Amino acid sequence: KAGVTQTPRYLIKTRGQQVTLSCSPISGHRSVSWYQQTPGQGLQFLFEYFSETQRNKGNFPGRFSGRQFSNSRSEMNVSTLELGDSALYLCASSWDRGPGDEAFFGQGTRLTVV
Amino acid sequence: GEDVEQSLFLSVREGDSSVINCTYTDSSSTYLYWYKQEPGAGLQLLTYIFSNMDMKQDQRLTVLLNKKDKHLSLRIADTQTGDSAIYFCAEPPNQAGTALIFGKGTTLSVSS
Repeated sequence: KAGVTQTPRYLIKTRGQQVTLSCSPISGHRSVSWYQQTPGQGLQFLFEYFSETQRNKGNFPGRFSGRQFSNSRSEMNVSTLELGDSALYLCASSWDRGPGDEAFFGQGTRLTVV
Repeated sequence: GEDVEQSLFLSVREGDSSVINCTYTDSSSTYLYWYKQEPGAGLQLLTYIFSNMDMKQDQRLTVLLNKKDKHLSLRIADTQTGDSAIYFCAEPPNQAGTALIFGKGTTLSVSS
């Protein structure tokens, strides 16, 4: 079956702009989580959506937002981009977080802010 | 607070065993995970261990868990050059849902 698909793979934006990233989970998966990966901070949890509702949120400013559609596809949006937002953004999908439930990761979107 | 600590680098020769260590803080974690990230790729779940287990073996991988010391290790037997990657340990935070708290990752370099 198809894996987690993230689009676009690479993106270059200018400071102050906004950006939308997309994640299509594995068919049948209802949970989508987003992470930011940087060399300095490592992998940090952004938020998680389940059945179109935000279930958990990490410690990121309000410029970072997301949503999930009825088909479980998810988007995340970053407004007023800053240089420090340059990172690899990963999304993960799972059926649900039951014991041992595996989260499958996409290849990520590499965002560069200049 | 919740935090997961790992050493940043490990270098081994092909054929040797690799041991990657991790300490975690949330003693209520029911599962602990090891993920692998190859260059330019997302994360791949390697293995996980229930918190009521001390050891889990899966082919070349052995996971050891010391709950008292909150210490987790991943041993890779007969390490190959294809094992070169970044290895992350992760635990669920103390809340429902699918979020994971990751360590900073250990870069394993395997030389032939």
